[in-house]
Amino acid sequence: AQSVAQPEDQVNVAEGNPLTVKCTYSVSGNPYLFWYVQYPNRGLQFLLKYITGDNLVKGSYGFEAEFNKSQTSFHLKKPSALVSDSALYFCAVRDMRGNNRLAFGKGNQVVVIP
Amino acid sequence: GAVVSQHPSWVICKSGTSVKIECRSLDFQATTMFWYRQFPKQSLMLMATSNEGSKATYEQGVEKDKFLINHASLTLSTLTVTSAHPEDSSFYICSAPQTGPAGPSYGYTFGSGTRLTVV
Repeated sequence: AQSVAQPEDQVNVAEGNPLTVKCTYSVSGNPYLFWYVQYPNRGLQFLLKYITGDNLVKGSYGFEAEFNKSQTSFHLKKPSALVSDSALYFCAVRDMRGNNRLAFGKGNQVVVIP
Repeated sequence: GAVVSQHPSWVICKSGTSVKIECRSLDFQATTMFWYRQFPKQSLMLMATSNEGSKATYEQGVEKDKFLINHASLTLSTLTVTSAHPEDSSFYICSAPQTGPAGPSYGYTFGSGTRLTVV
């Protein structure tokens, strides 16, 4: 089965410092990977995805992610965190078992400290 | 871009009543709709997958008779929580795969979610 893991529960970072949110994947075949952000009582907002091509994917709001096949990782990064980046972040993988659902990681709460 | 409109955003209902949640695809045809449930600060758990014109596929452990899903048209999917109880209180989110002019774009559009509180 396709799955992703987000090993950390919460990521604390000072405003202006680099932000990294970790994600590793386990898939059979080529992975289709996604990052989403969720603010309280809101739906999910798309940040970026990796389907094929360059390993470094640039997304919304200054975020980027690097696909690393050898380490089966797809970590989300932002060079300089903002207080407004404080939210819940989800890594997800497209599950090819028939209906192409998204399988989500447990989520990471990011807290950017002013 | 593709938009899924989800209503209501929040609802409070009495125990034993039923609540209907609607998700409409506004500028594309959603042949498939995924319905998720989310507890506070936790991940999204897939409840069921609805397909236009056919019966929904429920995940293991999800009660079909409690969570009725209908996908009668290419732009509307509904989730009805029947005989709601306090333990059904949760955040419910729908999602549809996107399709671009050249076929699947491999993206997904999410509704804004419904906060259900059963008292």
